Amino acid sequence: DAGVTQSPTHLIKTRGQHVTLRCSPISGHKSVSWYQQVLGQGPQFIFQYYEKEERGRGNFPDRFSARQFPNYSSELNVNALLLGDSALYLCASRPELALNTEAFFGQGTRLTVV
Amino acid sequence: AQSVTQLGSHVSVSEGALVLLRCNYSSSVPPYLFWYVQYPNQGLQLLLKYTSAATLVKGINGFEAEFKKSETSFHLTKPSAHMSDAAEYFCAVSDTGRRALTFGSGTRLQVQP
Repeated sequence: DAGVTQSPTHLIKTRGQHVTLRCSPISGHKSVSWYQQVLGQGPQFIFQYYEKEERGRGNFPDRFSARQFPNYSSELNVNALLLGDSALYLCASRPELALNTEAFFGQGTRLTVV
Repeated sequence: AQSVTQLGSHVSVSEGALVLLRCNYSSSVPPYLFWYVQYPNQGLQLLLKYTSAATLVKGINGFEAEFKKSETSFHLTKPSAHMSDAAEYFCAVSDTGRRALTFGSGTRLQVQP
């Protein structure tokens, strides 16, 4: 069975540009979350989506946005990229919203802003 | 708000020695607690979770953790370290408000031959 898949795996962008990261959850999983992991730190929560609706948002600026599609896949968009946006972006999926269920993580997208 | 603190950003043990990685949490409600492992250039893999059932939780790869409410701790242990255990370990607590995981800053485990 395929796990959580993210694309692309690596990306280099210039300051001021826009980026779109993609995530396909495990089949049957309706909840997708996005996390940012800066080098040397733990992941930080950005968004959670369930049944195409935003169900949670972390402390990130409005330059960050996301959406979930009818097939439960998701996109994370970041506008006006800053050097500080360089990080590993992780997507996680859960079968439902229940917090006691395991979140399965993808391998991430490594974004470098130059 | 819920939070976790991982004491020790780096831990080094000899192969075959006890592994002890520390995690303390802060939560105003009964928490759900998790330990994840991250190998280089990989995502996160769940080792074990505490969801208010047994206080001693057994996970994969021989790891276990004990939930101690009086000490607000959820330390991760393994009786005998293996070279393949070298990785970054993250403790996390469920954030009921935002329906997200709040992670600690991580502990890098080195295993010496």
